[in-house]
Amino acid sequence: GQQLNQSPQSMFIQEGEDVSMNCTSSSIFNTWLWYKQEPGEGPVLLIALYKAGELTSNGRLTAQFGITRKDSFLNISASIPSDVGIYFCAGNKSGGSNYKLTFGKGTLLTVNP
Amino acid sequence: DTGVSQDPRHKITKRGQNVTFRCDPISEHNRLYWYRQTLGQGPEFLTYFQNEAQLEKSRLLSDRFSAERPKGSFSTLEIQRTEQGDSAMYLCASSYWGGLAYTDTQYFGPGTRLTVL
Repeated sequence: GQQLNQSPQSMFIQEGEDVSMNCTSSSIFNTWLWYKQEPGEGPVLLIALYKAGELTSNGRLTAQFGITRKDSFLNISASIPSDVGIYFCAGNKSGGSNYKLTFGKGTLLTVNP
Repeated sequence: DTGVSQDPRHKITKRGQNVTFRCDPISEHNRLYWYRQTLGQGPEFLTYFQNEAQLEKSRLLSDRFSAERPKGSFSTLEIQRTEQGDSAMYLCASSYWGGLAYTDTQYFGPGTRLTVL
């Protein structure tokens, strides 16, 4: 079963507000990724983190790979209506040659214009 | 780069029927993954290929499921004797793996939504 705990489960915010969500694991992951999924579509990659402590930005999005390798967070600044969707964290243990992803249950983000 | 494509996007079938889904990965990607996603959950790993070799299968992949990637390009996922519990979104992802120095970042297709009546 899934090993990643993602919180919060849902958020309802006003346009312009900043958003923060995080993901924790009981075991170490060597890569953390954040995806966004809209209804009826597949996950779209937002940010990939490959090194413990790494802080990476992609426009208004910023994500960090925790030092312990057991957590990651994603921040969205100055939210806009098109940020609506489900945000998933995913990790892989990249041991040997298998990089299958383990996902959290997602954070549903609603932005009120 | 046209992205990962999947066909069909939607499939409605009756219990007991067989269904087959196709995935075309990003060109030059040598790894291809299948995941299943049910409502309110994140995707769960089913199986993956490196070139034409199927290297791992999840315990979620029962004997009624079979996946192939005959020429190391597109892949098919077949479900035989479908059950209502098979209703889900089936997602395909691809990546390029060039050795241990590579990060194997996975890019997903739009998915096939299966409904079993």
